[in-house]
Amino acid sequence: DVVMTQSPLSLPVTLGQPASISCRSSQSLKHSDGNTYLNWFQQRPGQSPRRLIYKVSNRDSGVPDRFSGSGSGTDFTLKISRVEAEDVAVYYCMQGLQWPRTFGQGTKVEIK
Amino acid sequence: EVQLVESGGGLVQPGGSLRLSCVASGFTFNKYAMRWVRQTPGKGLEWVSDISSSGDATYYADSVRGRLTISRDNSKDTLYLQMNALRAEDTAIYYCAKGSPGTIDDWGQGALVIVSS
Repeated sequence: DVVMTQSPLSLPVTLGQPASISCRSSQSLKHSDGNTYLNWFQQRPGQSPRRLIYKVSNRDSGVPDRFSGSGSGTDFTLKISRVEAEDVAVYYCMQGLQWPRTFGQGTKVEIK
Repeated sequence: EVQLVESGGGLVQPGGSLRLSCVASGFTFNKYAMRWVRQTPGKGLEWVSDISSSGDATYYADSVRGRLTISRDNSKDTLYLQMNALRAEDTAIYYCAKGSPGTIDDWGQGALVIVSS
């Protein structure tokens, strides 16, 4: 199975400051079709998860442009350029390369 | 707008059975793979099962294989999860999800399953 490791697991951030979450996979997530199947999801308190980013860096419609995804191979990053109050949530990475699909442990972003 | 509405959750004794349903709307159901993902209260996300758009191919996590069965009825735009031989560790919120290759596009609101005597 592909192991997904996120860091940090807890991230206190000052409003308006940037935040960065790392996700590492135990093997490359690049498919033979040329795509890299790494996703980022946001789960606000009391809500279902929602996708923010797919295939490393493609932002979903309606997702603020302060969110960006980057990386390749086994190392990926989700960045929030300026954290807002509504960004308080747990963020998960997930690999879609192979079965079983696997998620990172989650990173809890909170306001200092 | 995509809507995924789960039902069928509840309290069940260890060893018991339950069937979850997920009614989909807002997209052409028979063109998309569907997924079940669960979340233990207060903990992270665990992928449970996938089914192809036609229903011909299914995939399971090792932790549920042989006990949980995913299926779909494309004539009713509905996804199912038949859960047998339930264990305490199956207690979780079960999310129905719409899938595209390598990703999860949309999530339902979740159905809570509690396995306890």
